[in-house]
Amino acid sequence: TQLLEQSPQFLSIQEGENLTVYCNSSSVFSSLQWYRQEPGEGPVLLVTVVTGGEVKKLKRLTFQFGDARKDSSLHITAAQPGDTGLYLCSGTDSWGKLQFGAGTQVVVTP
Amino acid sequence: KAGVTQTPRYLIKTRGQQVTLSCSPISGHRSVSWYQQTPGQGLQFLFEYFSETQRNKGNFPGRFSGRQFSNSRSEMNVSTLELGDSALYLCASQSRTSGYTDTQYFGPGTRLTVL
Repeated sequence: TQLLEQSPQFLSIQEGENLTVYCNSSSVFSSLQWYRQEPGEGPVLLVTVVTGGEVKKLKRLTFQFGDARKDSSLHITAAQPGDTGLYLCSGTDSWGKLQFGAGTQVVVTP
Repeated sequence: KAGVTQTPRYLIKTRGQQVTLSCSPISGHRSVSWYQQTPGQGLQFLFEYFSETQRNKGNFPGRFSGRQFSNSRSEMNVSTLELGDSALYLCASQSRTSGYTDTQYFGPGTRLTVL
């Protein structure tokens, strides 16, 4: 059972559209990370959020950590083909174990 | 700082053989974790090493083993390869020196194909 549930599993959009992916859990996390992975490569860290309610912006990407530190979202504005990839979230639960979600596959077509 | 490096990047083996993969963490990082990634199962945790000691272990058979050297470099070994071992094997390093950090930095992975 995935402790971190990511949704949707797959998202296909046109260039210029906006998208949001979610990472949810019933557990509290001390911090949460978002990664993007391209085919055949390792995940690349995008951001770490640590404070409930925290919002971080990285150019066109906006990351939010829920107030209760159980969920997070990643919003991409005006998506570009270079945003295509598998988006993974990870977090450490109260037992000290690092958990990964199954990922959201995002495809942005020109 | 140089990132996490993994060698080799690609490997083709046949069933029954064994394989050793190598990982060099970011300089100064003492924790190395290994993951297996397949399309059907996603990222599956194999084990974590810290200061040459295995600290955590996932649910993989004993054919999967690892070790860490005094310079923090790590190796992972899979013996008696099976077709289902075909996967991308990822190594990730963490600092774990000043306080506790959850952030792992991944290498590019080793793509293992078992024929």
